[in-house]
Amino acid sequence: DQQVKQNSPSLSVQEGRISILNCDYTNSMFDYFLWYKKYPAEGPTFLISISSIKDKNEDGRFTVFLNKSAKHLSLHIVPSQPGDSAVYFCAASAETSGSRLTFGEGTQLTVNP
Amino acid sequence: EAGVAQSPRYKIIEKRQSVAFWCNPISGHATLYWYQQILGQGPKLLIQFQNNGVVDDSQLPKDRFSAERLKGVDSTLKIQPAKLEDSAVYLCASRYSWGYSSYNEQFFGPGTRLTVL
Repeated sequence: DQQVKQNSPSLSVQEGRISILNCDYTNSMFDYFLWYKKYPAEGPTFLISISSIKDKNEDGRFTVFLNKSAKHLSLHIVPSQPGDSAVYFCAASAETSGSRLTFGEGTQLTVNP
Repeated sequence: EAGVAQSPRYKIIEKRQSVAFWCNPISGHATLYWYQQILGQGPKLLIQFQNNGVVDDSQLPKDRFSAERLKGVDSTLKIQPAKLEDSAVYLCASRYSWGYSSYNEQFFGPGTRLTVL
């Protein structure tokens, strides 16, 4: 039962353009969502998060949007830079499950110079 | 601040052998997690510790996997005997506080890549 899904295994964009990574979830108990970035041979690093009481959170070039009715969230990166090339994981947690994170499969973002 | 340390970084064993991984979390972090990440998938939680007690091991294959966190700091994860399907990256993560808080993200180590032949 895949409760968090990232349907695009890969995404390629040009430097300076917008990157949009998508994530869908099925568990209505999820109330906190995070995005992690992972470079090869490194562990995932926290990027940005959003609580279910919000529909948008911004941090510099990164913005996460949450649509609770559609059970969908997206990560926007503007402008995209070659150093953003990495695997991006969407993760979700529910208060009823403590601090356990449920991850999606990841999306490989490639930003071309 | 030092990050989460893990060793070894790579391990190759034959099936039915045993293997152990070590994790040292960020100093002061009460909660420690072990995740399994199979190629092409996201990390999956195996076990969660609060200090030296187990909070959640519902997804740990207890017939072959075991973990401990003595003195509430370092942790070891053991597989005995290993199967081919255990080939994966084993990630350790730590978090500052206990309980549900939306402001305490998990910090991950670099992982141990296990190959079972």
